[in-house]
Amino acid sequence: DADVTQTPRNRITKTGKRIMLECSQTKGHDRMYWYRQDPGLGLRLIYYSFDVKDINKGEISDGYSVSRQAQAKFSLSLESAIPNQTALYFCATSDPGRQSYGYTFGSGTRLTVV
Amino acid sequence: GIQVEQSPPDLILQEGANSTLRCNFSDSVNNLQWFHQNPWGQLINLFYIPSGTKQNGRLSATTVATERYSLLYISSSQTTDSGVYFCAASYNQGGKLIFGQGTELSVKP
Repeated sequence: DADVTQTPRNRITKTGKRIMLECSQTKGHDRMYWYRQDPGLGLRLIYYSFDVKDINKGEISDGYSVSRQAQAKFSLSLESAIPNQTALYFCATSDPGRQSYGYTFGSGTRLTVV
Repeated sequence: GIQVEQSPPDLILQEGANSTLRCNFSDSVNNLQWFHQNPWGQLINLFYIPSGTKQNGRLSATTVATERYSLLYISSSQTTDSGVYFCAASYNQGGKLIFGQGTELSVKP
């Protein structure tokens, strides 16, 4: 099983719909992140959480919300999806106690908003 | 915040050639990492290298923190090296990473 699991892998949704992307991890890491990837723009940080009670906005949080249900689970919601939120979304974890911090990414969720 | 810029944006190589990818960052950082995104979208951590030089097989990386740049060297490239290479940095050890735009590498047989 993958260390960081994202569901769904692919999703097509309509403009205005609410959608949730889920992330779960078995790494035991406290820190979790949500990024979106757009062609030519790299990965941009949406939200991050350093523990269950800590939620922080990233570079591009408008239009998104998150929930950290447990150490292992971090969900990203689009309250009312719009076409320019079409992107590849990645969840990641890290551990500041490790030398290389153990950044681990999920396989991504490809979201299309029509 | 930190600005991370990578060059070149695209690179096409013949199998067996060598290449150098560059990453410039705007501020002092405690964390600098290189990632490879394969053609299936999977992101793999290549190097954690806030300073100095590291080597892993045909890949090596050097970061000159005082001059705020990092280089990724790929020698004797193979078609499996194709994909996008990202540089990412953060102020805080183990904290949020800021990514560059990536270098898309295509290695032709």
